[in-house]
Amino acid sequence: QVQLVQSGSEVQKPGASVRVSCKTSGYTFTTYGISWVRQAPGQGLEWMGWISGYNGNTNYARDLQGRVTMTTDTSTSTVYMELRSLRSDDTAVYYCARDPHGVTSPFDYWGQGTLVTVSS
Amino acid sequence: EIVLTQSPGTLSLSPGERATLSCRASQGVTRNYLAWYQQKPGQAPRLLISGASSRATGIPDRFSGSGSGADFTLTISRLEPEDFAVYYCHQYGSSPSTFGQGTRLEIK
Repeated sequence: QVQLVQSGSEVQKPGASVRVSCKTSGYTFTTYGISWVRQAPGQGLEWMGWISGYNGNTNYARDLQGRVTMTTDTSTSTVYMELRSLRSDDTAVYYCARDPHGVTSPFDYWGQGTLVTVSS
Repeated sequence: EIVLTQSPGTLSLSPGERATLSCRASQGVTRNYLAWYQQKPGQAPRLLISGASSRATGIPDRFSGSGSGADFTLTISRLEPEDFAVYYCHQYGSSPSTFGQGTRLEIK
């Protein structure tokens, strides 16, 4: 069965960086991409960007350009999301979701979420 | 960027009643690439509907989606206790992918 398992909660200081992992299984990694979505406490869902499992091509949300990097490790079917220069408003639950193409496909499987808290 | 506006913000109904949730886009959604998700507290969203009207695998038939262009509706025909949650619409036809702000379905 398809599974996306994310790394554990993180607490970081303002200005630091965080890297969240998303280990996938149950499907052919290179056939699908992964989108990252975050949710601030009590708020809605915000798409952050997408990475291809096939060739590592990326498409980032405009307001995160320059602060976010998504990468893949095909040997372990794992996707990573790094967010730099953290601010308090980056405090959120971060989700990875399977997304074949970056557009024209819904997010059919989701990770369990990773809480990232930014606090001094 | 396409802005999705959901209404109402909160819907208070009783089990057994019919729920109608609306999602309006700021412009037409490409090929009706509109999805609905259900989210319960402490859980990840779950895909219910894609392509405006196609139920995802394992989703009960009391959930149905309709609409086209810029106006979409999620209908739950007869509410079960487990249906009380937050529902989000999501357009994935053009980049950036965007979500509505959510409709909270609560027990009356």
